[in-house]
Formats: sequence, C-alpha cells, structure tokens
Amino acid sequence: AQTVTQSQPEMSVQEAETVTLSCTYDTSESDYYLFWYKQPPSRQMILVIRQEAYKQQNATENRFSVNFQKAAKSFSLKISDSQLGDAAMYFCAYRSHTYFGNEKLTFGTGTRLTIIP
Amino acid sequence: GAVVSQHPSWVICKSGTSVKIECRSLDFQATTMFWYRQFPKQSLMLMATSNEGSKATYEQGVEKDKFLINHASLTLSTLTVTSAHPEDSSFYICSATDRPNQPQHFGDGTRLSIL
Repeated sequence: AQTVTQSQPEMSVQEAETVTLSCTYDTSESDYYLFWYKQPPSRQMILVIRQEAYKQQNATENRFSVNFQKAAKSFSLKISDSQLGDAAMYFCAYRSHTYFGNEKLTFGTGTRLTIIP
Repeated sequence: GAVVSQHPSWVICKSGTSVKIECRSLDFQATTMFWYRQFPKQSLMLMATSNEGSKATYEQGVEKDKFLINHASLTLSTLTVTSAHPEDSSFYICSATDRPNQPQHFGDGTRLSIL
C-alpha cells in the first residue's frame, strides 16, 4: 500500500515571501500521479498542481511549483510571492496510474499554512 | 468547468435517523465518484469508490450497511448514513472524475452533526 507523509503540521510565511512544503511518499509502483490540494476554511478541496511520475520536468502553475525527486520519493511544493489568499491546509496526495482499476487518492496528513501580513 | 455540487452543505439530525447526501456533477459525466470522510483537523479518508451502474467498493473498515452508496446515473451519487449516531458526525466530501487518470473534482462537502 502507498503512504504519503507530510512532516510539517504547520508552516508560516511572510506575505510576498517564498515557502516550501514537504511531502514524501512510499510506493513500489513506477507509474503514478502526485497532487497538491489546497483546503481553505470553506473546506472545499482545490487542486493546486499535478505531477505525472513519468515526466522529469517539474510541474509549474503560476506561483506554484514542485520539486519532484522520484528516486528520493519526494514531492515538495514551493509557493512564491505568498499571498493572504494562500492561507489554507495543504494536502499532498498520491494516485496510481490505471486505466480501469482503483484510482483512489491517498492523502498526507496536511500542512496548515499561515500567511503573515 | 468540472463542477461538483454537494447537498446539503450542513445537516443536523437526531440520533437514529438516516441522512442522505447528494453529489452531482453539473457539467460532466462522472463515471467514477468517491466518498471521503474528514474528522476535524485530520486528513481525508476514502470511504468508498463507486462506478456508475455498479456496486460501490468500500475501503477496509467501512460498514457497507451503515454507509449506503448509490451511483445510479452519470451525474448523481448518494451517500446514505443509516441509523446515524453521534460518532458518525463528521465532514463528508465527494469527488468525481469523468475518465481514467484525470484529476478528481471535489464537492464543497457536507457537515453532518448527529445529536
């Protein structure tokens, strides 16, 4: 079974600064997907960024980028130019690559990010 | 696009009653829907996976008779918590996907409080 570990329960960053959230995972599969989801106080899960394991290039979405180290099974999220609206719970998640099988997401325990004005 | 609507957003009911939560995909056909449970300040735990027209696949430790899941159409899945008790109080979130290996789109969640 796959596991996802987020070792930072809480993080804080000054507005406009950069912060990196850590995530490690354990799997025996070679093909899979990794995600970062954001859950603001409204509780809706919002997809921040997605990485396919077969791609060596790190995914980027505007101010959000990842550092994907497949051999180390590490998948960190970097938020640049932090904004007040970035304050939320961030979850790292793993999903197998499959065509007709179980596509369940395995979530980490989350990191609560606080933005300091 | 890819909007998932969940209803109700908050429900309070007495112990022993059954509660139905709906999850709808508004602008796409959801071949697969997922139901998660989230306790306060904790992560999401998958309860079950449902494919349209098939029986749901439950995760280990989730009572099938307690949490009834129906996915009768490509746009609607329901979760019924039968004979609810205070320990069933939680935040329930659904998600949906329209084809394999695409991101899941989440609903806004339902806060269930059993008195």
